[in-house]
Amino acid sequence: EPEVTQTPSHQVTQMGQEVILRCVPISNHLYFYWYRQILGQKVEFLVSFYNNEISEKSEIFDDQFSVERPDGSNFTLKIRSTKLEDSAMYFCASSRDPNSPLHFGNGTRLTVT
Amino acid sequence: GQQLNQSPQSMFIQEGEDVSMNCTSSSIFNTWLWYKQDPGEGPVLLIALYKAGELTSNGRLTAQFGITRKDSFLNISASIPSDVGIYFCAGYYSGGSNYKLTFGKGTLLTVNP
Repeated sequence: EPEVTQTPSHQVTQMGQEVILRCVPISNHLYFYWYRQILGQKVEFLVSFYNNEISEKSEIFDDQFSVERPDGSNFTLKIRSTKLEDSAMYFCASSRDPNSPLHFGNGTRLTVT
Repeated sequence: GQQLNQSPQSMFIQEGEDVSMNCTSSSIFNTWLWYKQDPGEGPVLLIALYKAGELTSNGRLTAQFGITRKDSFLNISASIPSDVGIYFCAGYYSGGSNYKLTFGKGTLLTVNP
């Protein structure tokens, strides 16, 4: 069964550094998302992306965050200047359309020191 | 933002027992989804519900979309050790964005063999 793949599985970075988290959504899906999960807490919406532009973003998704679909298969989340509180699991997800269930990747664990 | 109240927070049961968990909200939802998350992995879709009153099964799992559209439950029958994990309800609420999935806080299930 097709799946969403994310790399790396774990990223450790120093505060203030830039990180790029990568995702390959399911190939026939058109809607892409980033969610995050702080340890022990619920999954939170960050941003949705369709047709090469952001459809919606949460208040968490401030100017430090950006998303990009650099080619036909990858979908990236960039954090420009990481903060300690950015430490979390970041999940990429995709869906065929807005009404279809999301399929999640296995996440990237980001640790900011 | 909209809140999903998921209960119980955790359950400790013996193998073979049935399990029930639910989610409620003060808002009307158009779609209810149930996900399971194993440690270190992303949420995996278990069941999707799209209509009020809908009752759907997936093996030993049964979920229902409440008639009021403000609640949903998930039942697991004859639990087995591999049912261990965190179960999340999630949904799109009426009048909200179809791009932003709202998650409950999860139910941690432990199954004693």
